[in-house]
Amino acid sequence: QKEVEQNSGPLSVPEGAIASLNCTYSDRVSQSFFWYRQYSGKSPELIMSIYSNGDKEDGRFTAQLNKASQYVSLLIRDSQPSDSATYLCAVNAGGFKTIFGAGTRLFVKA
Amino acid sequence: EAGVTQFPSHSVIEKGQTVTLRCDPISGHDNLYWYRRVMGKEIKFLLHFVKESKQDESGMPNNRFLAERTGGTYSTLKVQPAELEDSGVYFCASSQGAASPSTDTQYFGPGTRLTVL
Repeated sequence: QKEVEQNSGPLSVPEGAIASLNCTYSDRVSQSFFWYRQYSGKSPELIMSIYSNGDKEDGRFTAQLNKASQYVSLLIRDSQPSDSATYLCAVNAGGFKTIFGAGTRLFVKA
Repeated sequence: EAGVTQFPSHSVIEKGQTVTLRCDPISGHDNLYWYRRVMGKEIKFLLHFVKESKQDESGMPNNRFLAERTGGTYSTLKVQPAELEDSGVYFCASSQGAASPSTDTQYFGPGTRLTVL
């Protein structure tokens, strides 16, 4: 079983819709969770981090964490074509080691 | 402020040759990380430096890989001898270094694309 699992997609949503990205992780000890955005040919960029169960909102982005279910999600409201990218879920694996999922490709259609 | 820089951006070498990748972190960042992404796979952690000390090198695939960070500034990652399976994109990231990894934001460089023929 992979340590961090994501649906590879592509996930296609129309402009203005809500995009929902999901991630599950295997290590129950993990305490910190991150969402990175990576445009094609570019480096990953941190967009959200979450440590406590529940929701965390930042602008159009909301991260949701459920440690009991070992589940993290990212909601993007009012999706824009510029949001089209690969979204990487990452989990702290102890110390400063970070484990990444393979990413979900998101396409926002204008 | 300059971001994380990596050199070269691309490298094409033959199996058995040696390649050295360089990473310059953001000025003042004590933490430096190396990651690798092979085609179609997830980004994998290789190792973590705090200043010049290796804190975690559990992700280094084998002894053909050697990372150094002399003086605690830039870092090099040497692959010797390179094998076909070493092809991929090598990312470097740096962070200021927080008390908790939860609050330690990593900034990634543009990556070095390594192709071993």
